[in-house]
Amino acid sequence: AQTVTQSQPEMSVQEAETVTLSCTYDTSESDYYLFWYKQPPSRQMILVIRQEAYKQQNATENRFSVNFQKAAKSFSLKISDSQLGDAAMYFCATDSNYQLIWGAGTKLIIKP
Amino acid sequence: DTGVSQNPRHKITKRGQNVTFRCDPISEHNRLYWYRQTLGQGPEFLTYFQNEAQLEKSRLLSDRFSAERPKGSFSTLEIQRTEQGDSAMYLCATRTEQETQYFGPGTRLLVL
Repeated sequence: AQTVTQSQPEMSVQEAETVTLSCTYDTSESDYYLFWYKQPPSRQMILVIRQEAYKQQNATENRFSVNFQKAAKSFSLKISDSQLGDAAMYFCATDSNYQLIWGAGTKLIIKP
Repeated sequence: DTGVSQNPRHKITKRGQNVTFRCDPISEHNRLYWYRQTLGQGPEFLTYFQNEAQLEKSRLLSDRFSAERPKGSFSTLEIQRTEQGDSAMYLCATRTEQETQYFGPGTRLLVL
């Protein structure tokens, strides 16, 4: 069965600094996607970034980038120039046929 | 706003009552998912529709839960004889074949 593990329940970072959120996964799929979603307090889940496993190049979306290590089954998210609006729960997920398998989330706190 | 809407946004009910939630997908999205999320956890898969066909149901979906998607458009999730353990956020997500899942704002259920 597919699993996703986020070992950091909470992280904090100073505004304008860089922070990295960790995620490891296990899957038997040969072709799969990995995702980072953001869920601000009392607001809806929003896709931050997506990585296709067959692509070696790490995905980048503005201040957000990933470090995808396929052999190690690691998929970390780097947020550069952290902003107050980045404060949220961040979930790592992978797809398994018809559903997403989720980690438990990391709460990101931004210190002004 | 992702374009996926859910109603109601909040529901308070007494134990034993029935409740129904609605999800309206992005119009061209043929796949629709229901998830349940409890506080501090990632979403858990409940069920999945492709067009009007319900293709998968989680073991979490007891016989008190039923979901429909008539005509492959909006979907409803009904919980009969609610229990306090049903208190959670119920999330709907939709996608096309190639796209990522887009989430609605969720319906927060509190069973007293």
